[in-house]
Amino acid sequence: QVKLLQSGAELVKPGASVKLSCKTSGFTFSTSYMSWLKQVPGPSIEWIGWIYAGDGGTNYNQKFKGKATLTVDKSSSTAYMDLSSLTSEDAAVYFCARGTTGGFAYWGQGTLVTVSS
Amino acid sequence: DIVMTQGALPNPVPSGESASITCQSSKSLLHSNGKTYLNWYLQRPGQSPQLLIYWMSTRASGVSDRFSGSGSGTDFTLKISSVEAEDVGVYYCQQFLEYPRTFGGGTKLELK
Repeated sequence: QVKLLQSGAELVKPGASVKLSCKTSGFTFSTSYMSWLKQVPGPSIEWIGWIYAGDGGTNYNQKFKGKATLTVDKSSSTAYMDLSSLTSEDAAVYFCARGTTGGFAYWGQGTLVTVSS
Repeated sequence: DIVMTQGALPNPVPSGESASITCQSSKSLLHSNGKTYLNWYLQRPGQSPQLLIYWMSTRASGVSDRFSGSGSGTDFTLKISSVEAEDVGVYYCQQFLEYPRTFGGGTKLELK
């Protein structure tokens, strides 16, 4: 069945960067659109962007341009998201999700990012 | 960006009663292909969001028929008939018409 397994919780210092991963199985990764989303207590969910695993094409939410960089490794069916110059505003749970024509049908379990010195 | 606004529920909801959650979009989500690009998700405590309804009224695979979606181009309703304990959590509407994809602020359902 479809699985999206995300990397573990991260504690990072302000100003540092972090790379999150999302290892997938159970579907054809190379023809999939992989999205990343941010959830902060409130609760609220923001869409960061997607990457098309076939050719690495991306589409970012303007709000996250310069903050998030999406990449994939087709050989391991894994999606990655780099977050740079972290501040307290970046502390959140980040999800990867597989997009379909009908929405985000499959989600990872989430990765908690804590920003603290 | 399209703004999604959700209504609140008169919590807690008695078990076995029905509940309706409303959502309003700042722009019509009706596509020229006739589909309305509005999704509903449920996030149970401690879990990832789960897709319940897409294209405003189509149930996702494996979703109980106690969930139904309806609406117009800008006003939408998720109805849960005969609320059960497993329905507890936060419900989100989300538009899938334009970029950036945007979500409502969530509606919490508590059980009595």
